[in-house]
Amino acid sequence: GAGVSQTPSNKVTEKGKYVELRCDPISGHTALYWYRQSLGQGPEFLIYFQGTGAADDSGLPNDRFFAVRPEGSVSTLKIQRTERGDSAVYLCASSLRPGTSDEQYFGPGTRLTVT
Amino acid sequence: AQSVTQLGSHVSVSEGALVLLRCNYSSSVPPYLFWYVQYPNQGLQLLLKYTTGATLVKGINGFEAEFKKSETSFHLTKPSAHMSDAAEYFCAVRKSSGDKLTFGTGTRLAVRP
Repeated sequence: GAGVSQTPSNKVTEKGKYVELRCDPISGHTALYWYRQSLGQGPEFLIYFQGTGAADDSGLPNDRFFAVRPEGSVSTLKIQRTERGDSAVYLCASSLRPGTSDEQYFGPGTRLTVT
Repeated sequence: AQSVTQLGSHVSVSEGALVLLRCNYSSSVPPYLFWYVQYPNQGLQLLLKYTTGATLVKGINGFEAEFKKSETSFHLTKPSAHMSDAAEYFCAVRKSSGDKLTFGTGTRLAVRP
């Protein structure tokens, strides 16, 4: 079956611009997660959705970052006034049942480069 | 708060040799522990996980890991390395009552012919 997909795979933008990154989770998965992986680092948690609502957004670094999941399926991570430090691979994951030991399935990521 | 320490950012072994990748964690509550593998330009793939029960867990591709509570460790091993095992490996911890994963900084495994 189809896994988690993310678009675009690569995004180059200029400092100060606005970007949107999209995640399509596995069909039927209730939970959706965003992580950010900087060069040479492990993924860092950003935000987690149960259904349409953000259950935990404690990892968002500042108010330039925002994410939505309006219909409980596709999610969009939005970054305003991008900075060079935002350059990273943004990973999305989904799992079937939140609050259980169910595996998180990861997408291939979106590589964001801010010039 | 939870944290994960992976000793050795780069490990190199010969083909056929034992693979040992180290992971230590800290957690204030009983943890779930995971090992993920990341091949170039691909997403993270789960190798194995420990939740409850047997402390020696077996995963895909011949890997296994043992949860040692007294040592707060969850080291990953494979008896005989293959060239195809060359990748980056991440250890991660999660609260049993929570959902977000906390990852280590990763270990890049190289396999020499």
